Amino acid sequence: NAGVTQTPKFRILKIGQSMTLQCTQDMNHNYMYWYRQDPGMGLKLIYYSVGAGITDKGEVPNGYNVSRSTTEDFPLRLELAAPSQTSVYFCASSLRRGYEQYFGPGTRLTVT
Amino acid sequence: ILNVEQSPQSLHVQEGDSTNFTCSFPSSNFYALHWYRWETAKSPEALFVMTLNGDEKKKGRISATLNTKEGYSYLYIKGSQPEDSATYLCAPPGGSEKLVFGKGTKLTVNP
Repeated sequence: NAGVTQTPKFRILKIGQSMTLQCTQDMNHNYMYWYRQDPGMGLKLIYYSVGAGITDKGEVPNGYNVSRSTTEDFPLRLELAAPSQTSVYFCASSLRRGYEQYFGPGTRLTVT
Repeated sequence: ILNVEQSPQSLHVQEGDSTNFTCSFPSSNFYALHWYRWETAKSPEALFVMTLNGDEKKKGRISATLNTKEGYSYLYIKGSQPEDSATYLCAPPGGSEKLVFGKGTKLTVNP
C-alpha cells in the first residue's frame, strides 16, 4: 500500500493563479481531510469528506474548493491564489469517524 | 471554534528524563481523543486513539491517559531519548465528523 499520496511536493504560484493539489489514498478509507499548517498555529482543517459525493467545510474553507467523485481521490482547488494561502498542505484519510488519520507527505505552496 | 489547550508549548529535557504533557478540551460531545507525533519535515503519525473515560494506552516508553469528564489527557514519555524529539499533537472532536488539533507540545531531548 502506498497509503496517502500527494502531488506536487512543492509549488510556487503567482497571485491570482489557480491550481489543484492532488490527494489519493489506496486504503479504501471513507473519510478524507485537507489541512493547512501555518507556523505556530498547528493544523487547521480546510475541508473534509465522509464519502464519495459528500464534502463539508472545515475551519478555514475560504479560497478553496474540493470534490470527491471517487473513494480514492480528494483534490483541493485553489482559485485566485493569495499570499495568505502560502502554507504546507496535508491530506489525510481515516477508515471512519474517530479512527486514526493517515497523513500524506504534504505539499509546500508559496504564493508570491 | 473548539478551544484545545496543550501545555507546555515547548519542553527541553535531557536524555533519560521522564516527561509529560497535557491536553485540555471541552468534555461535551466527546467520542475520541487522538495523539499524534510529528517529526520535523515529516507528516504527523498517530500514537493513540482513546475513546473511554479512564482509558490508558501504552506504546513502548510512551503512554497516555484520558479523563473525559473533566476534559483532559496526559501523555507520558519515560526515559526520553533524542529520537523522541518531535511535536506532540492532541486532537479531540471538533464536531460530529472531524477533529480539532491543538498547537502541540514541542519536545527536544538533548543527548
